[in-house]
Amino acid sequence: QQQVKQSPQSLIVQKGGISIINCAYENTAFDYFPWYQQFPGKGPALLIAIRPDVSEKKEGRFTISFNKSAKQFSLHIMDSQPGDSATYFCAARAGNQFYFGTGTSLTVIP
Amino acid sequence: DAGVTQSPTHLIKTRGQHVTLRCSPISGHKSVSWYQQVLGQGPQFIFQYYEKEERGRGNFPDRFSARQFPNYSSELNVNALLLGDSALYLCASSKGLAGDGNTQYFGPGTRLTVL
Repeated sequence: QQQVKQSPQSLIVQKGGISIINCAYENTAFDYFPWYQQFPGKGPALLIAIRPDVSEKKEGRFTISFNKSAKQFSLHIMDSQPGDSATYFCAARAGNQFYFGTGTSLTVIP
Repeated sequence: DAGVTQSPTHLIKTRGQHVTLRCSPISGHKSVSWYQQVLGQGPQFIFQYYEKEERGRGNFPDRFSARQFPNYSSELNVNALLLGDSALYLCASSKGLAGDGNTQYFGPGTRLTVL
C-alpha cells in the first residue's frame, strides 16, 4: 500500500510557467515532509522540506504548501526552467523511516 | 569534499546468488540508510544505521541484511536473489538520524540486475 500518493505522474510546462506537484497521505504520525529532485543516473537530492506545524515554506523558486487538515502537501516551482526537468519525489517520515511517493517526471519546454 | 560513494556501479547476478553492495558516507556522517528503487517508482526504505546500530527497518524479507562498520561505511547483503530484486540500490548518509535538520545525501546507486 502506497503511504504517500503523488500526482501527476508526468508534467509538461512551458519555460517561465508554474509547475505544481501534489502529494497526499493518511498516516498522522508523519512529522517531516521533504521533496527530492532526481536527474537520470543520479541519486535523489533534497530540494526543500517542511514540518507539519508550518503551512508554507519558500526557498527561491521552490515553495511547499502544506494542508495538515486535508493531509496534503504540494510543491510549486515558479518560473520553471529547462534545467528543472527532472523527476520529483515527495516523501514523509515516521520514526526513522521515510516513505516516498511514486515520482513526477517534469519536462520544461523552452 | 567527496559525496556518498557506492560500489559497484552495476552488477549482474543470477537467481539464487548472493550480492554485497558497499557504501561510503560523507566524511563526518554517522548515519547510513539503504533504499531500493525499482524502475519508475520512488525509493523504498530498507534499513537505517546510526553509530553502527540498526535504527530502522523497512518491510523487506530477511534475505536483506546490512551492517555498519567502525568507519561508518556500510554493506547491504541480499541472499537468494529473486528476479524482483532487480533495482537501483541507493545509499544515503546524514550526520545524525535523517530529518530534524540532518539532511540525507544520496549516492548515485548500484544498479543490480538479476537474470
